[in-house]
Amino acid sequence: AQKVTQAQTEISVVEKEDVTLDCVYETRDTTYYLFWYKQPPSGELVFLIRRNSFDEQNEISGRYSWNFQKSTSSFNFTITASQVVDSAVYFCALSQPQGGSEKLVFGKGTKLTVNP
Amino acid sequence: DTEVTQTPKHLVMGMTNKKSLKCEQHMGHRAMYWYKQKAKKPPELMFVYSYEKLSINESVPSRFSPECPNSSLLNLHLHALQPEDSALYLCASSPVPSYEQYFGPGTRLTVT
Repeated sequence: AQKVTQAQTEISVVEKEDVTLDCVYETRDTTYYLFWYKQPPSGELVFLIRRNSFDEQNEISGRYSWNFQKSTSSFNFTITASQVVDSAVYFCALSQPQGGSEKLVFGKGTKLTVNP
Repeated sequence: DTEVTQTPKHLVMGMTNKKSLKCEQHMGHRAMYWYKQKAKKPPELMFVYSYEKLSINESVPSRFSPECPNSSLLNLHLHALQPEDSALYLCASSPVPSYEQYFGPGTRLTVT
């Protein structure tokens, strides 16, 4: 069965520090998709990135970067020079085919607090 | 425009009431989802509609009844809920299943 593990429950950093959020996944599928979502205190989940299993290139988007390593089944997320606005719960998720459709299997989330 | 709208934002209902949650998207997405999220937990999938047909029902109690009147609209009808059903209900849509899902702001439901 698919599983996503985010071992870090809570992380607290000071503004401008770099921080890495870990995500480890389990799947028997050869084709799958991985996602990161951000949920600020307002409650709305914000899509950050989708990565398919055949694309192991790292990705950078502004202060955000993602490191996908199939060999270790990890999809880690790094925020460079963190800001207070980055404070949120971050979820890693894995797609799971079911009933001709797809569902997301979420990790338990990592709560990031960035202090001024 | 990657917007999913949900109404109402907040809902308080008694256990004997009947109410509905509404979700709308105009991005041409063909998959729509209902999730339930309790405090400090990840979202839990309830239902998936793919091309306007119910494709996944995660063994949700019958007091929750989804409806997809057309490709832009998704409703969740609520009847005889229990206090433990109080939660944030999130709607999402994706271009097709397996693509990224875009979430609405949610309806915070309180059952008294």
